[in-house]
Amino acid sequence: DAKTTQPTSMDCAEGRAANLPCNHSTISGNEYVYWYRQIHSQGPQYIIHGLKNNETNEMASLIITEDRKSSTLILPHATLRDTAVYYCIPLQGSGDKLTFGTGTRLAVRP
Amino acid sequence: GAGVSQSPRYKVAKRGQDVALRCDPISGHVSLFWYQQALGQGPEFLTYFQNEAQLDKSGLPSDRFFAERPEGSVSTLKIQRTQQEDSAVYLCASSRTVRRASYNEQFFGPGTRLTVL
Repeated sequence: DAKTTQPTSMDCAEGRAANLPCNHSTISGNEYVYWYRQIHSQGPQYIIHGLKNNETNEMASLIITEDRKSSTLILPHATLRDTAVYYCIPLQGSGDKLTFGTGTRLAVRP
Repeated sequence: GAGVSQSPRYKVAKRGQDVALRCDPISGHVSLFWYQQALGQGPEFLTYFQNEAQLDKSGLPSDRFFAERPEGSVSTLKIQRTQQEDSAVYLCASSRTVRRASYNEQFFGPGTRLTVL
């Protein structure tokens, strides 16, 4: 599985966009990029995933670079409830266990 | 609808005791996973079931850890002769799909926090 590099922590102001980067330079051609988050004292929660096209859902947008070596998760209007640890997880087609790493701790400030 | 539930939410055990942690997945979900999360770390994979079959137990840290899902729904993670290093949050997740990376949303329970004294 590809290794990932994420900032240890970030912060943003409530109502502003939060842009969370992830480097996955060793990602292979059949690996999807998944994003999960974990709010304090809760289990992880799926956010979004993509292969090579940009994706958007009701929670977030995912921008994947053309060479697929990095991606950015965008929360367009962060709220205090978005304070969590965000994990970027490459996932191969042949297996489905999630390898979380240490993630990015996002703090949304009022 | 109901999500994944786990019980107990908190468990305190004395070193050497056996513990059993229960997971009730979302009804109809084929895949079930157990993860272990140490304080300040991300969750780490323990084991995977497809229905009642345990297809991957590569993450179980020792033979003191045992998991079962006899009827393909409820699962139990058992830890024998608990040690202090077993203290962690144990997370259960279920998924409707089977080994398909094109869509692999795992639904997590709240976890069981195990403290071994």
